Amino acid sequence: AQSVSQHNHHVILSEAASLELGCNYSYGGTVNLFWYVQYPGQHLQLLLKYFSGDPLVKGIKGFEAEFIKSKFSFNLRKPSVQWSDTAEYFCAVNAMNRDDKIIFGKGTRLHILP
Amino acid sequence: EAGVTQFPSHSVIEKGQTVTLRCDPISGHDNLYWYRRVMGKEIKFLLHFVKESKQDESGMPNNRFLAERTGGTYSTLKVQPAELEDSGVYFCASSPQLFSGANVLTFGAGSRLTVL
Repeated sequence: AQSVSQHNHHVILSEAASLELGCNYSYGGTVNLFWYVQYPGQHLQLLLKYFSGDPLVKGIKGFEAEFIKSKFSFNLRKPSVQWSDTAEYFCAVNAMNRDDKIIFGKGTRLHILP
Repeated sequence: EAGVTQFPSHSVIEKGQTVTLRCDPISGHDNLYWYRRVMGKEIKFLLHFVKESKQDESGMPNNRFLAERTGGTYSTLKVQPAELEDSGVYFCASSPQLFSGANVLTFGAGSRLTVL
């Protein structure tokens, strides 16, 4: 069965620090990959997605993620975080040609110190 | 355009009671998904509707859970009888795409269920 692993459950950084959140998935076929974010008091929303093409994808608010197929990874990065990035981040995967469901990881709670 | 709406936002019931959660997807979205998050765990897939049909219900925990989507519009998720382990946040999401590979989900705010 598909699964998604997020290595960091809780990350605390100071403003301007660089961020990398790890995500690995287990599925050997073609995948679509997502990062969703839930800001305090708000709905889950899409941060960025990878369907095909350039494995380095850029999302909203300066976030980017790199798909490394050989490592089954889709890590999220941001060079300089802001206090407003405090949120919970979820990596998700859809196994193409298998079914339509999207499987989520456990989430990483990011806390940025002002 | 209105987003995905869920009701109630929070429900507190006693073990053995029944609760019905409702989701109104974005108008015109054929795909409707139910997910559940128990505290500290992953957002777990429950089931997927395409219009009024259940495409995939592999994530439904047991037969105490019943989901419907009459007419392919809003959906309900009924838990009867509720157990303590059913507590969590139930998310609904919808998307306009029919085929896998293009499902960007729009989520509702979630319905928090507390079973005492």
